[in-house]
Amino acid sequence: EAQVTQNPRYLITVTGKKLTVTCSQNMNHEYMSWYRQDPGLGLRQIYYSMNVEVTDKGDVPEGYKVSRKEKRNFPLILESPSPNQTSLYFCASSLRLAGGYNEQFFGPGTRLTVL
Amino acid sequence: AQKITQTQPGMFVQEKEAVTLDCTYDTSDPSYGLFWYKQPSSGEMIFLIYQGSYDQQNATEGRYSLNFQKARKSANLVISASQLGDSAMYFCAMKGFLQGAQKLVFGQGTRLTINP
Repeated sequence: EAQVTQNPRYLITVTGKKLTVTCSQNMNHEYMSWYRQDPGLGLRQIYYSMNVEVTDKGDVPEGYKVSRKEKRNFPLILESPSPNQTSLYFCASSLRLAGGYNEQFFGPGTRLTVL
Repeated sequence: AQKITQTQPGMFVQEKEAVTLDCTYDTSDPSYGLFWYKQPSSGEMIFLIYQGSYDQQNATEGRYSLNFQKARKSANLVISASQLGDSAMYFCAMKGFLQGAQKLVFGQGTRLTINP
C-alpha cells in the first residue's frame, strides 16, 4: 500500500530534550516536506527536500533541522524543543517538485506537546 | 508571494443541504493549482479535489465540486447533499507552478458541522 508513515504519532516531552520525528514513504517520491498545523493558521511549511541531500527552508524553519540521506526517509529534528513548538506535524511527499499537478500524500500526523 | 484566505472559521448546515465553503487566493504565478483537503477529527489530511488554473471546466469529484472563478481569484468548494460524515475541518490550498512550486500554501481552514 502506498503510504507516508510518521513516528511517533503522539509525543509529550519537556523543554530542551532533543527529539526526532521520523517520516518514511514507499512511493519512490523525490519531493518531501514537513508542515506544522496550528489553530487559526492552517498548515505552514517547515522544510522541504527536492531529493537526496537537497533540503531547503520553508516558511517557519526556526528551531528545526532535517536531513535526507535516503530517498524514502526525511526525519524532522528538534534539537532543543520549546513550548511554542507544540503543534500537529505532517510529513508529505509527491512524485516530483516541478510544475503541473502532483498530488501530495500526507502522513497521519504527529501530535507533539512540549511542556 | 502566495496567499489563501478562508473567511469562514465555522459553518453549521442541516443534513442533506448543499454547502459552499469560501476560498480566495492571491498569487503572482501565471500557472497554479488549487486543492481542497478534509481533516476529520482523527487528524489525517484527505485530498478532495484539484483545479488547475488553465483547466477549462470546474472540477468535480462525486459530491464535491469546485466553483473556480479565475477573475475573482476564488475557488469555493461546494458539497452537495451534505452528510453527517462531512463534519470536519476543510482546508483550501494552492501551489504555484513556477515561483511557488516548492510548497502548498494553506488557508486557515473552515470547520464544518452538519446537523441531523
